[in-house]
Amino acid sequence: GNSVTQMEGPVTLSEEAFLTINCTYTATGYPSLFWYVQYPGEGLQLLLKATKADDKGSNKGFEATYRKETTSFHLEKGSVQVSDSAVYFCALIVNNNDMRFGAGTRLTVKP
Amino acid sequence: KAGVTQTPRYLIKTRGQQVTLSCSPISGHRSVSWYQQTPGQGLQFLFEYFSETQRNKGNFPGRFSGRQFSNSRSEMNVSTLELGDSALYLCASSLKGEKETQYFGPGTRLLVL
Repeated sequence: GNSVTQMEGPVTLSEEAFLTINCTYTATGYPSLFWYVQYPGEGLQLLLKATKADDKGSNKGFEATYRKETTSFHLEKGSVQVSDSAVYFCALIVNNNDMRFGAGTRLTVKP
Repeated sequence: KAGVTQTPRYLIKTRGQQVTLSCSPISGHRSVSWYQQTPGQGLQFLFEYFSETQRNKGNFPGRFSGRQFSNSRSEMNVSTLELGDSALYLCASSLKGEKETQYFGPGTRLLVL
């Protein structure tokens, strides 16, 4: 079946540190891949997405590249800020079927 | 344009009771999907409604049901509540069901005692 595995948290970083949150997937067919962010007390917000192999999604300094050969979609940011503290979810869709989410990774950035 | 709204935001119920949650999609959106978020199981798809018809359903027991009205507003109902139903219930709307462009509401946090 279709599924997403992302690195377990929590992740704690100092401000301006480099961030990587790993995400790998299993899918039949050709999935679209997403990263969502959930701030405390809020719903999910789409952070970035990629719909085909080698596509790079980017937004607000975050990037992720769709790697078909390694079935991965790792999230990176060069310099995190306190305001980036949130829970990050990797997700996939195949053929517009239901969206499958990873377990989520809680990021805390300390000043 | 107003976002997806969910009411109530917080709810406390006791085991055996039933509960109804409401979701108002973005104006013009005809598809509403519901998800359950728990610490143990993460985010799981419950069901999707489009033009008042259930189009997809996740792997949840029949105690979980939903409906959609002609104005695209949706409700979900959980009967005979169990402790394990405590969760954040999220709804998401899109124009015609395109999951790639769905917008999420803030969620309803349900606590079952």
